[in-house]
Amino acid sequence: GQNIDQPTEMTATEGAIVQINCTYQTSGFNGLFWYQQHAGEAPTFLSYNVLDGLEEKGRFSSFLSRSKGYSYLLLKELQMKDSASYLCAVLDSNYQLIWGAGTKLIIKP
Amino acid sequence: TAGITQAPTSQILAAGRSMTLRCTQDMRHNAMYWYRQDLGLGLRLIHYSNTAGTTGKGEVPDGYSVSRANTDDFPLTLASAVPSQTSVYFCASSDSAGGEEQFFGPGTRLTVL
Repeated sequence: GQNIDQPTEMTATEGAIVQINCTYQTSGFNGLFWYQQHAGEAPTFLSYNVLDGLEEKGRFSSFLSRSKGYSYLLLKELQMKDSASYLCAVLDSNYQLIWGAGTKLIIKP
Repeated sequence: TAGITQAPTSQILAAGRSMTLRCTQDMRHNAMYWYRQDLGLGLRLIHYSNTAGTTGKGEVPDGYSVSRANTDDFPLTLASAVPSQTSVYFCASSDSAGGEEQFFGPGTRLTVL
């Protein structure tokens, strides 16, 4: 079966750094996405990794290791507005996205 | 630019009734998708369309049907609603079916009683 695992909830402090991990087992791999979803809103795109390594985009970075079936999203200089759920999704061999259940990130002052 | 719109925003439906959730995009994207999102579960694909005139089944298609008569519209129909279809439904689109960022509509919150 196909499986995406990420922690259910994490708590961090404003101004700090947090790493959200995602491990996956899927039938084929054509890339990994991270999306942000604020409560009651639609998911919005953060990053896409298809090759191993780190992709940096402002305060957010995403890492991929295809051999380990592992990715992480790194958020730096946390702000209160970063309180949201972070969704990991893998594009499988049929080019369909398989989604994790999401990690709810709580930012405390 | 509106992006993707969905209607209605929310709906309470009696079990056994039919309903169509509407989705329209103005980005001229080829691919469109319908997902449901339930608490504690990831988004699950219901149906998809890689291009106008074609549709395909996703992970959880039973009880749902779609059509794609043109590029912009991708309605989702529940023929005879059941309580297990209570969920938040998101429509999404992407420029193509492979490896592209998906853009999501605001969602429809459906309650089936």
